Amino acid sequence: AQKVTQAQTEISVVEKEDVTLDCVYETRDTTYYLFWYKQPPSGELVFLIRRNSFDEQNEISGRYSWNFQKSTSSFNFTITASQVVDSAVYFCALSEETGANNLFFGTGTRLTVIP
Amino acid sequence: DTAVSQTPKYLVTQMGNDKSIKCEQNLGHDTMYWYKQDSKKFLKIMFSYNNKELIINETVPNRFSPKSPDKAHLNLHINSLELGDSAVYFCASSQVRGGEQYFGPGTRLTVT
Repeated sequence: AQKVTQAQTEISVVEKEDVTLDCVYETRDTTYYLFWYKQPPSGELVFLIRRNSFDEQNEISGRYSWNFQKSTSSFNFTITASQVVDSAVYFCALSEETGANNLFFGTGTRLTVIP
Repeated sequence: DTAVSQTPKYLVTQMGNDKSIKCEQNLGHDTMYWYKQDSKKFLKIMFSYNNKELIINETVPNRFSPKSPDKAHLNLHINSLELGDSAVYFCASSQVRGGEQYFGPGTRLTVT
């Protein structure tokens, strides 16, 4: 079963619009970690954020914010006032306390910001 | 300084050949990984390795083998390359369990 689901395959927004990328995860572990990564057109994978399962506080970093809700097993990512440079594929990922410590990635959401 | 580096960045080779991709991290991390990203951008773990344990994803063919000469390096050897091996391969490292993983720039492997 897919451990991380990103239902939005592609999203297009006009510059300066806000956009939310959805992520739903599935795990039986009580301790786990959630991540978001950005993959711009150049291809590298850029770490954005890590949350552990015991910290449900939302986080804001500049134009980026993350909403973690254990009740709905979701870890959504919002970009405020989007810019062209935000155009990328965004991956949500899960790491479980048990097992090999690797990341289980969602299928990614391709965000295109139109100038 | 690049935290996680991979060489080569591009690798074009013919079916049946054997090739290696090198990975080095200068972050002092204990655990390294190899991931494969297919043409649909799906990222999947191949191996995770620290100085004590190698964990292999059971779906990885045994033509793929990681080799770690020391804690800072984890190379990927691929024997008898097949067309389906064409993908981007990413190396990554992390310090602690559940910690963020830092990725190398990727190696685009094309098998013709």
